Amino acid sequence: KAGVTQTPRYLIKTRGQQVTLSCSPISGHRSVSWYQQTPGQGLQFLFEYFSETQRNKGNFPGRFSGRQFSNSRSEMNVSTLELGDSALYLCASSLALGYNKNIQYFGAGTRLSVL
Amino acid sequence: AQSVSQHNHHVILSEAASLELGCNYSYGGTVNLFWYVQYPGQHLQLLLKYFSGDPLVKGIKGFEAEFIKSKFSFNLRKPSVQWSDTAEYFCAVNAGDSGGSYIPTFGRGTSLIVHP
Repeated sequence: KAGVTQTPRYLIKTRGQQVTLSCSPISGHRSVSWYQQTPGQGLQFLFEYFSETQRNKGNFPGRFSGRQFSNSRSEMNVSTLELGDSALYLCASSLALGYNKNIQYFGAGTRLSVL
Repeated sequence: AQSVSQHNHHVILSEAASLELGCNYSYGGTVNLFWYVQYPGQHLQLLLKYFSGDPLVKGIKGFEAEFIKSKFSFNLRKPSVQWSDTAEYFCAVNAGDSGGSYIPTFGRGTSLIVHP
């Protein structure tokens, strides 16, 4: 069974640009979550999508948005990039929605560098 | 808001030494607890999890963790580490509120280096 696939693996953008990251979950998984990983803040939860609807959201500004398609694939978009957005963006998929007894499987991440 | 503290940011051990990584969380309700490992150049992998029941849980590669509810702790242990255990270790908590929303919360991570 293929794991969580994230594309692209690396991105270089300049301040003010926007970027879209893609995530394909494990087959059969309907929930997709996004995280930002930085050396200073660690892993921080961005949002979770299930059945094409955002179900949970972390404490990030509105420049960070996402969507999920009917095949459960998800995209994350960051508009008006700032230097501080440089990070590893991780996608995780799970079978179900909800926190209880739900295991997340992570992708390798997309490394975003903002210059 | 819930939080997770990992007390050891960097740990350096020799092979065969015993390992204990501390993890404390702040949340009074029902929690799901996890330890993840990130080997150099690889993605995050689940090491072990606690949902309910026996507070001593065993994971992959000889790791175990003990959930102590009274101390809000979920420490990771391994009796004898190997060079291949060199990695970053993350403790995570998932807990929901009465409204059904939740924010998975991770600790800052512990970098473990094992010398052969």
